[in-house]
Amino acid sequence: SSELTQDPAVSVALGQTVTITCQGDSLGSYYASWYQQKPGQAPVLVMFGKNTRASGIPDRFSGSYSGDTTSLTIIGAQAEDEADYYCNSRDSSGNHLVFGGGTKLTVL
Amino acid sequence: EVQLVESGGDLVQPGGSLRLSCAASGFTFTTYWMTWVRQAPGKGLEWVAHIKQDGAETYYVDSVKGRFTISRDNAKTSVYLQLNSLRVEDTAVYYCARDRRVAVSGIQGDAIDIWGQGTMVTVSS
Repeated sequence: SSELTQDPAVSVALGQTVTITCQGDSLGSYYASWYQQKPGQAPVLVMFGKNTRASGIPDRFSGSYSGDTTSLTIIGAQAEDEADYYCNSRDSSGNHLVFGGGTKLTVL
Repeated sequence: EVQLVESGGDLVQPGGSLRLSCAASGFTFTTYWMTWVRQAPGKGLEWVAHIKQDGAETYYVDSVKGRFTISRDNAKTSVYLQLNSLRVEDTAVYYCARDRRVAVSGIQGDAIDIWGQGTMVTVSS
């Protein structure tokens, strides 16, 4: 099976730009998706495919790929963006899904 | 309204069994793979299992293989997760979710775009 690696925690000043990364061998073969989860709530899809925002997600969110790493960038972070963010993709077999360990984003 | 509603979570002793249910509404159920994701208290998300539109293919994370069974009833627009031989480490919120599979330029991916509210499974003596 494959693993997806994320930094456990990242912080950003209000209104500044922050990038959250996710690294995994399978990302060279499959697209990832990104999820935002706030305390006590179910996850919400943020980004999927090559660089597609989910319905209702503000355009300050964008995604990119470079080799075996995918990134979620927030330009002009807002207080409401403070949350846990998880990446997800297929494993090398293509039959199983795997989540990254999650990144706790703090907006200062 | 598109929604998923889980039920069946409970407190159960180690070695016990539970059946989780997820009722789907507001979309064409037979179009989508369906998946279960769990989250242990204070921990991250873990994919558990998923099932193809016609039920012909099912896949599991290694830690539940042989103990959990995912199934679906398209006539009832419902997906199920049978949990057997439960362990303390299976304690988690279990989410039912819709997997909108995508393909762009020949590269596949997943978009788990609809999630239920979750149902709590506690395994403890």
